[in-house]
Amino acid sequence: GQNIDQPTEMTATEGAIVQINCTYQTSGFNGLFWYQQHAGEAPTFLSYNVLDGLEEKGRFSSFLSRSKGYSYLLLKELQMKDSASYLCAVRWNNAGNMLTFGGGTRLMVKP
Amino acid sequence: SQTIHQWPATLVQPVGSPLSLECTVEGTSNPNLYWYRQAAGRGLQLLFYSVGIGQISSEVPQNLSASRPQDRQFILSSKKLLLSDSGFYLCAWSPSGTATDTQYFGPGTRLTVL
Repeated sequence: GQNIDQPTEMTATEGAIVQINCTYQTSGFNGLFWYQQHAGEAPTFLSYNVLDGLEEKGRFSSFLSRSKGYSYLLLKELQMKDSASYLCAVRWNNAGNMLTFGGGTRLMVKP
Repeated sequence: SQTIHQWPATLVQPVGSPLSLECTVEGTSNPNLYWYRQAAGRGLQLLFYSVGIGQISSEVPQNLSASRPQDRQFILSSKKLLLSDSGFYLCAWSPSGTATDTQYFGPGTRLTVL
């Protein structure tokens, strides 16, 4: 199988830092994407990792370790508008351009 | 710049009725196109995938079908809807022939089958 695991829900405080983890089976891995999805809206692209290391984009960073089958999305200086679901998606070598999505992590930011 | 449209935005249909959802992309040519379904509180399930006109790959056997009559038009259809077809239907596109193949989503259609 090609299971992708993320925590179902997380809660954090405004202004804090939160890390959302994603694990996947390493066999055939060919890239990992993070998307943000506000309730009732479409997912929007946040980041892409295919090599090991950290990719930083403003308050958001994404990390990848291919040998461990592990990625995380780091959100700094949390704002109320960051309350959303965060979807981890993996592209596999034998699946062309198709992505397999995890179930998403629902993040609630509290004042 | 590229934009992706979906309509209708919301739809309420009785069980057994037909369905037609449309997706169009502007500002690019020969995109890869995708249909996903998202049940309430769940992840995205890939339904269909197309790399070109008339080329459709089905990922999940069901009572839905897809067609691509034009390069930038993707249609999702059903002859008879089931209750289990309710959900949020998302169309996405990605540029063909690129390394990252990032998928970009349309605004979605929320379908309720009663």
